[in-house]
Amino acid sequence: GQQLNQSPQSMFIQEGEDVSMNCTSSSIFNTWLWYKQDPGEGPVLLIALYKAGELTSNGRLTAQFGITRKDSFLNISASIPSDVGIYFCAGHNDYKLSFGAGTTVTVRA
Amino acid sequence: NAGVTQTPKFQVLKTGQSMTLQCAQDMNHNSMYWYRQDPGMGLRLIYYSASEGTTDKGEVPNGYNVSRLNKREFSLRLESAAPSQTSVYFCASMGLTAYEQYFGPGTRLTVT
Repeated sequence: GQQLNQSPQSMFIQEGEDVSMNCTSSSIFNTWLWYKQDPGEGPVLLIALYKAGELTSNGRLTAQFGITRKDSFLNISASIPSDVGIYFCAGHNDYKLSFGAGTTVTVRA
Repeated sequence: NAGVTQTPKFQVLKTGQSMTLQCAQDMNHNSMYWYRQDPGMGLRLIYYSASEGTTDKGEVPNGYNVSRLNKREFSLRLESAAPSQTSVYFCASMGLTAYEQYFGPGTRLTVT
């Protein structure tokens, strides 16, 4: 499958902080998606991006579809405790999604 | 509107046993997918069905078979389970007009 490199692998957040994660690929994708997975549950779609250069917001979440169509980033502003979980990027081509390995977000003690 | 449902939620098998994982969606989606999720590896596509009547291999199809029973249902079968198939299995579906996949709650499978 196509390889997506997602970074960072993990991060600690303090309530109120802004956090950022990104995804890069050697392949071009037609669509980028960002999912969040809570423990013991399936991934839930957060944001879908359809055009190169597109910047889309969903509440405190903002994501961008890179102009080269090979990358995307996700920002979370003013983080809250329920933002913890695993965030996955995914690129779509030909009916199929390729996923990054995920960014695990944990609350800093 | 339940979205994507999967049964069972948990399963323990002995090596060599067979079983079928069931998936159903009520969103009238054309495409359905089976993934496995292993720690630190994201989700890997096992098989998919772009439309009723078609199935295709994904990234990791060995040891699995699928059946698209009708537009709503897509099952995954393990004919002879192996410990390497211990994983969490997710089913997903996607409509025609937006490339957004929606996931079920998962089946946690352990093969001993």
